[in-house]
Amino acid sequence: GESVGLHLPTLSVQEGDNSIINCAYSNSASDYFIWYKQESGKGPQFIIDIRSNMDKRQGQRVTVLLNKTVKHLSLQIAATQPGDSAVYFCAENRRSDDYKLSFGAGTTVTVRA
Amino acid sequence: ETGVTQSPTHLIKTRGQQVTLRCSSQSGHNTVSWYQQALGQGPQFIFQYYREEENGRGNFPPRFSGLQFPNYSSELNVNALELDDSALYLCASSLQGQGSGNTIYFGEGSWLTVV
Repeated sequence: GESVGLHLPTLSVQEGDNSIINCAYSNSASDYFIWYKQESGKGPQFIIDIRSNMDKRQGQRVTVLLNKTVKHLSLQIAATQPGDSAVYFCAENRRSDDYKLSFGAGTTVTVRA
Repeated sequence: ETGVTQSPTHLIKTRGQQVTLRCSSQSGHNTVSWYQQALGQGPQFIFQYYREEENGRGNFPPRFSGLQFPNYSSELNVNALELDDSALYLCASSLQGQGSGNTIYFGEGSWLTVV
């Protein structure tokens, strides 16, 4: 079964506000985590990744936080824009299955104007 | 643009038929993985090819098979199509395999509808 899951299937955000998308994982052997954005009719687009030896990583307008104690991953999007509307997936890579990514079900983010 | 290209973008097949989907990996990437994404769900790993050999397989039956060519491009073949095979098929490329934590880039996918 799935070991990576997202807390909420949908998230509605006011334009300009910050968004936080959460993800929980159950396998403590997970070594590498990635956030993808998928727009309607397109393939997943890499946003940011983080390895298990890190707690935080920042990109352009995005920050990923990893809490290994509670096996929780989050993606923060600053100053959310209409173009951020999409489905967001977290994915994990485990040392024991180092050849595949395991995806959660996704969170649909809708940005309100 | 990720540099991962897939073809065809859309196709319709009849139950029982066979289909071949194609993928060109990003320049310099030697590893290709295939995923199936049903509507409203996350992608599910099918298999991965590295140096022209299968390097891991998900929970998919043998009628799902693949190839990788010397130029690292890849094909996904599905025999005896079933209605539940209707999905978006995604190709992902990376360097030296996903276990090293290298960035994994996806193509735009091939939409398969089985009727």
